[in-house]
Amino acid sequence: AQSVAQPEDQVNVAEGNPLTVKCTYSVSGNPYLFWYVQYPNRGLQFLLKYITGDNLVKGSYGFEAEFNKSQTSFHLKKPSALVSDSALYFCAVRDGSDFNKFYFGSGTKLNVKP
Amino acid sequence: NAGVTQTPKFRILKIGQSMTLQCTQDMNHNYMYWYRQDPGMGLKLIYYSVGAGITDKGEVPNGYNVSRSTTEDFPLRLELAAPSQTSVYFCASSYSTGAGGLGSTDTQYFGPGTRLTVL
Repeated sequence: AQSVAQPEDQVNVAEGNPLTVKCTYSVSGNPYLFWYVQYPNRGLQFLLKYITGDNLVKGSYGFEAEFNKSQTSFHLKKPSALVSDSALYFCAVRDGSDFNKFYFGSGTKLNVKP
Repeated sequence: NAGVTQTPKFRILKIGQSMTLQCTQDMNHNYMYWYRQDPGMGLKLIYYSVGAGITDKGEVPNGYNVSRSTTEDFPLRLELAAPSQTSVYFCASSYSTGAGGLGSTDTQYFGPGTRLTVL
């Protein structure tokens, strides 16, 4: 069965410090992985994705994610956090058998304090 | 270019009532999706469509129906509302260039959501 786990409900970080939001996955076949961000009362917005190639993927707003096949992880990172990065972050994986389906993690709330 | 729009934004239903959640996209995307988001949970796929006239079940389709008569619209129908359907509903769309989703951009564009309460 395909699944995504985000082990932290909440991550707190001070502005200017690096941040990491964790994601692990389970999928049959090659993983197609995504990160989305949700601001209050808004729909999800695409940040970045891993399909193939370089394990370090760069995305919007200075975010990047590192794909680690041996650890089945796809952690979201940013070198220097901004207060405006405070939001809910979702990791997602495409079904390895039915490419039309996607599975989302439960989300991690990122709090960046001034 | 409005992207994906959803109506209504909020709705309270009584048990047994029915309603339709509307979703429209103006990006000429062929794929459309309906998700529900329960508190503390990730999004669960209810139904999806790969093009006009074609729909299929997702993870949690029970209690819902969909139709896709046009590329732009993908309404979600609740026939007999139950408290378990209290949730936030998101519609999304994406563009695919290949059969079975292969070659798809895979990037989904989401609407702002509909918050539904069933009492």
